[in-house]
Amino acid sequence: DAGVTQSPTHLIKTRGQQVTLRCSPISGHKSVSWYQQVLGQGPQFIFQYYEKEERGRGNFPDRFSARQFPNYSSELNVNALLLGDSALYLCASSLADLSSYNEQFFGPGTRLTVL
Amino acid sequence: SQQGEEDPQALSIQEGENATMNCSYKTSINNLQWYRQNSGRGLVHLILIRSNEREKHSGRLRVTLDTSKKSSSLLITASRAADTASYFCATVKWGGGADGLTFGKGTHLIIQP
Repeated sequence: DAGVTQSPTHLIKTRGQQVTLRCSPISGHKSVSWYQQVLGQGPQFIFQYYEKEERGRGNFPDRFSARQFPNYSSELNVNALLLGDSALYLCASSLADLSSYNEQFFGPGTRLTVL
Repeated sequence: SQQGEEDPQALSIQEGENATMNCSYKTSINNLQWYRQNSGRGLVHLILIRSNEREKHSGRLRVTLDTSKKSSSLLITASRAADTASYFCATVKWGGGADGLTFGKGTHLIIQP
């Protein structure tokens, strides 16, 4: 079975631009979470979605938004990019709601570089 | 903000030796999870220990949890070169199942062949 997939693998943008990152969860998983990992740090929670509804949001500005589609795939959008948005963006899927109570399965990530 | 703090930040040992890394956290938790990350790629879940558990084993891994001290340890026995990676603890606060995992900064483990 395929694991969590993310696209693109790498992305280079300039300040002020907008970016959309995509994630497909493991088949049967209904919960998707997004994390940002800056170099040398641990991942930081951005969003959690379950059954197309936002269930949790981390401490990120409104420039960050996400959605989940009927097939449970998800997109993360970041507007007005800043240099500090350069990071590895990780998507994780899980079977259930309140997914942090259970094991989460992470994708390989999208590495975003903002110039 | 990052709740968990792993110690040490980096650890280098010989293949075959045991590796121990520690994690401290600040708030009451529902569970604590350990993840491995190779070369800045995706994280792999290793083990989950709930707040009412004190010790769990999985293969060569042993995790302990001391909620009175707000700390956990991960022991990898008989280390192998393939264990070289960064290891993160992640906590889920009590009642915070929707609030995501709170990760520490990680321990970078190097296994010398």
